[in-house]
Amino acid sequence: DQQVKQNSPSLSVQEGRISILNCDYTNSMFDYFLWYKKYPAEGPTFLISISSIKDKNEDGRFTVFLNKSAKHLSLHIVPSQPGDSAVYFCAASANAGGTSYGKLTFGQGTILTVHP
Amino acid sequence: KAGVTQTPRYLIKTRGQQVTLSCSPISGHRSVSWYQQTPGQGLQFLFEYFSETQRNKGNFPGRFSGRQFSNSRSEMNVSTLELGDSALYLCASSWQGNQPQHFGDGTRLSIL
Repeated sequence: DQQVKQNSPSLSVQEGRISILNCDYTNSMFDYFLWYKKYPAEGPTFLISISSIKDKNEDGRFTVFLNKSAKHLSLHIVPSQPGDSAVYFCAASANAGGTSYGKLTFGQGTILTVHP
Repeated sequence: KAGVTQTPRYLIKTRGQQVTLSCSPISGHRSVSWYQQTPGQGLQFLFEYFSETQRNKGNFPGRFSGRQFSNSRSEMNVSTLELGDSALYLCASSWQGNQPQHFGDGTRLSIL
């Protein structure tokens, strides 16, 4: 049972335009969500996170939106740059109750290509 | 500030052998989590250690084990290696197991 899903394996965007990456989850116990970026031969790099008490979080060019009723989150990158080309992973954790210490559940990833 | 360091970066073993991977967390971080990444299964949680105790465990067989030392460094051991254990093994650290976790660059394990 895949609890975190990224249904788009790839996304291609022109430089300067908006990139929107989507993620759906099924476990209602998830209360904290993160986005990571991964280049080949490197570990995932943390980008931005959001708690379930919020519906939006911004950090520079990156904004994450959370729709709890739809169990859906998205990452917006504006404007997109060629250096943003990488694999993007959505991840979730269930922090309440202290039963999921240190455990992230990941989606399968979306390959973002930003063309100059 | 130094990041998470994993050694070795690459490892080749044969079936039936055992292997030990090492992880040094970011200074001050007391929680270390381990993940396995494969093309078919993606990134999957193995276990988490905090203050030398395993607090959480994923759905992996007992051949996968780990430990954490008093300086928060962690090791992961896989015994009786199988071909399916070929993967990228990632270590991540955080202050107390809360998020976000920060990852090392991984150890690429190949089983022949």
